[in-house]
Amino acid sequence: DAKTTQPPSMDCAEGRAANLPCNHSTISGNEYVYWYRQIHSQGPQYIIHGLKNNETNEMASLIITEDRKSSTLILPHATLRDTAVYYCIVLSGTYKYIFGTGTRLKVLA
Amino acid sequence: GAVVSQHPSRVICKSGTSVKIECRSLDFQATTMFWYRQFPKQSLMLMATSNEGSKATYEQGVEKDKFLINHASLTLSTLTVTSAHPEDSSFYICSAQGQLNTEAFFGQGTRLTVV
Repeated sequence: DAKTTQPPSMDCAEGRAANLPCNHSTISGNEYVYWYRQIHSQGPQYIIHGLKNNETNEMASLIITEDRKSSTLILPHATLRDTAVYYCIVLSGTYKYIFGTGTRLKVLA
Repeated sequence: GAVVSQHPSRVICKSGTSVKIECRSLDFQATTMFWYRQFPKQSLMLMATSNEGSKATYEQGVEKDKFLINHASLTLSTLTVTSAHPEDSSFYICSAQGQLNTEAFFGQGTRLTVV
C-alpha cells in the first residue's frame, strides 16, 4: 500500500484558504487519492478523491501534481467548523482505506 | 453522501461480557464493510474487512475469535467484542463501500467502555 506523509498540524485564519499537502511518492498508476476528515469523536467524513486530474466539489478542491507524487487539498474559505484532522489516503489494489496520522487543522477566528 | 448508521453510539459493559455493534448502510448496498478501532489521540486502525456472505479478513495482530464479524446482508455488518476487557475500551468505527474503488462512508462510531 502506498504510504502518505502529511504535516502533523496546521493553522489557518477563518475565511482564508486552507491548503493541506500530502506526499505519496510511491503511488502507482491506478491508485486513487482520497481525502477524509474527522471532527472530534465522530466518524470520518468523505471530502473528495481523484486519480490524475484536479477535482472540485462543494466542499473542496484537490490538486494532484503531474507526476502524482503529491497532492493538495484546498478548502477555499475555511470556517471554524472545518477544524478537524484531515487524512490523505491512497487506495491501493487491496481497496483498503489505511489511515495515516493526518493533519490536524485548526481554523482560527 | 450516503448514510451509514452505527449502533449503539456508546456502550458500557462489564469485564468478561460480550458486546455487539451494528453497522448499517441505509441507502445503498454495501458489498464491503470495514471495521476500525481508534484509541485517544491516535489514528484509525483497520481491524478487518468483510464482504457480504463471506468470512471477514482480519489485519495482522487482530484476534478473529475475540472480534467476531458477521456481514450477513448487503446492508448490515456486526462486530461482537467477546469477553471484553478494559483494554478493549476504544472508539470503534465501521465504514461501508458500495463498489470497489469508490468512496467509503463511515458510521458515527461506537465508544466502548469496559469496566
